[in-house]
Amino acid sequence: EAQVTQNPRYLITVTGKKLTVTCSQNMNHEYMSWYRQDPGLGLRQIYYSMNVEVTDKGDVPEGYKVSRKEKRNFPLILESPSPNQTSLYFCASSLRTSVSPGEDTQYFGPGTRLTVL
Amino acid sequence: DAKTTQPPSMDCAEGRAANLPCNHSTISGNEYVYWYRQIHSQGPQYIIHGLKNNETNEMASLIITEDRKSSTLILPHATLRDTAVYYCIVRVTGNQFYFGTGTSLTVIP
Repeated sequence: EAQVTQNPRYLITVTGKKLTVTCSQNMNHEYMSWYRQDPGLGLRQIYYSMNVEVTDKGDVPEGYKVSRKEKRNFPLILESPSPNQTSLYFCASSLRTSVSPGEDTQYFGPGTRLTVL
Repeated sequence: DAKTTQPPSMDCAEGRAANLPCNHSTISGNEYVYWYRQIHSQGPQYIIHGLKNNETNEMASLIITEDRKSSTLILPHATLRDTAVYYCIVRVTGNQFYFGTGTSLTVIP
């Protein structure tokens, strides 16, 4: 089954304790992205990756890191989490993006609810 | 400036058509408009996308104005399961997307 998986689904941690949220897709997609969702602010893009070893900042990259060493995986790293990073996080992937879009349909993971105390 | 503008909430009677508007006045000429929906806190689900012409699939229809500054998603016969937040999305740059806050649609029995 084609899907995007995220782990963990729920996480409660304390300020400053490094954590990683994993994201994996089995659709051979080039493009992957992380979003956070907060009440009243909708979905905001954190980072995205066009392909292996290519990553770029989205709207709200501060406090986050990502890596794309393999095509299927795109982990989100919080080196020193703070309470303002408490949020619902979504990973997404799509076949590609290009100047002539048509394959930009994004497939989303189930979400990771993170609480930083 | 917001890349897309949608009403924050709408109601629709079950069995009636739900028409969800979106303003995207700054969209570029070759950019598609995408619609997604999110049920509760699940991952957003793709519905439909379009460039210039009206589009229809098994889930919905998409009407795009001739000047492409706005579009309307139509759910022809809304059911209770269509209660969700609906997002109209455009590409901000080559690889970046703007979701906004969407429209919370409530289908009323």
